[in-house]
Amino acid sequence: KQEVTQIPAALSVPEGENLVLNCSFTDSAIYNLQWFRQDPGKGLTSLLLIQSSQREQTSGRLNASLDKSSGRSTLYIAASQPGDSATYLCAVPLLTGGGNKLTFGTGTQLKVEL
Amino acid sequence: DAMVIQNPRYQVTQFGKPVTLSCSQTLNHNVMYWYQQKSSQAPKLLFHYYDKDFNNEADTPDNFQSRRPNTSFCFLDIRSPGLGDAAMYLCATSNKKGLAGETQYFGPGTRLLVL
Repeated sequence: KQEVTQIPAALSVPEGENLVLNCSFTDSAIYNLQWFRQDPGKGLTSLLLIQSSQREQTSGRLNASLDKSSGRSTLYIAASQPGDSATYLCAVPLLTGGGNKLTFGTGTQLKVEL
Repeated sequence: DAMVIQNPRYQVTQFGKPVTLSCSQTLNHNVMYWYQQKSSQAPKLLFHYYDKDFNNEADTPDNFQSRRPNTSFCFLDIRSPGLGDAAMYLCATSNKKGLAGETQYFGPGTRLLVL
């Protein structure tokens, strides 16, 4: 059974700092890994999806890396801003019944302070 | 530009009174999912449709049912809501192509309160 863990559970940083969020998974036989952002009381916004054949994906100030063999992914946020404050979730899929069952991590709650 | 739409955004129901949550999508994706997310927890898959094929998770209570009358719409029916069913319900879609996993696009969610 796939288990996904995120460290740290919460993080508070001053504006402008670069930061790294960590995600680990127990079963390395994954097709991809997806990072989401969730604002309080809102739905999930997809940030990046890394296919299993890829090492990195970049979108603006975000960079996600994937090391399947070690069961790890990181989300790097450059020059953090207060608007980046949210909970960040990573998720890996399990192919089932034609769809993908996402197993989510426990999330990292990020607060970027002025 | 909304791609996955959920209505209503907030739903209040009484203990035991049936309730239906709605999801629609403009992406023409062939897979639609329903997740339940309780406070401070990760989303948990309840079931999904691949086209018209319904796929229930083994631990989803019988109290939860779903309908997908066409590609664009999917409904979550809770037959007799209990206090423990209060949660955020998230609808998501993806376009299944072969074996590779595809990005799932989530709606804004419906927050259900059971009184």
